[in-house]
Amino acid sequence: NAGVTQTPKFQVLKTGQSMTLQCAQDMNHNSMYWYRQDPGMGLRLIYYSASEGTTDKGEVPNGYNVSRLNKREFSLRLESAAPSQTSVYFCASSERGAQGNQPQHFGDGTRLSIL
Amino acid sequence: AQSVAQPEDQVNVAEGNPLTVKCTYSVSGNPYLFWYVQYPNRGLQFLLKYITGDNLVKGSYGFEAEFNKSQTSFHLKKPSALVSDSALYFCAVRDGTGGSYIPTFGRGTSLIVHP
Repeated sequence: NAGVTQTPKFQVLKTGQSMTLQCAQDMNHNSMYWYRQDPGMGLRLIYYSASEGTTDKGEVPNGYNVSRLNKREFSLRLESAAPSQTSVYFCASSERGAQGNQPQHFGDGTRLSIL
Repeated sequence: AQSVAQPEDQVNVAEGNPLTVKCTYSVSGNPYLFWYVQYPNRGLQFLLKYITGDNLVKGSYGFEAEFNKSQTSFHLKKPSALVSDSALYFCAVRDGTGGSYIPTFGRGTSLIVHP
């Protein structure tokens, strides 16, 4: 049981390049999330998907797009990378539960550097 | 609106001593509270949660947390710290009475356990 799998683990981009971060979960969870983690900032929500077929903006969505490809997969795309998007990106999933009383399960992150 | 504060960026404790990592929260309704731990180069791992019931919640790796409604706190505790407990700890909260089911995370507290 792999849980939440993120690819790639590391990536270096040049400013203006595009890329897609992949995330897949094998726990049959309805909800999936993308966060970024920066020193001293904690976790900030970029986008989330409450269920297959729906996506919503989080706290810091500018410069990103997402696709909920199916129940298992939720990808994050940077269309034109900027140095400010250098960060560690985490994907998470959860059962929605009764009004959100279920914990989230996190992948091990993608470390992204933009030069 | 919901918010969470972790007032200490870093906590230092000697191995074998008790440890406390502090968390205070603010929600309009009933709080759902979570603690997560993050080891270097890994994603967040769920430790424990408070939804309702007993104010003392027991979780993984010998950790426990005490919910205090009057002080709006949910401090993480362990009777005897191990060097292997050294990690980054995050508190999260969501309002269980309604609204978004997305939790809000604190900025994290770095726990350092000295041999």
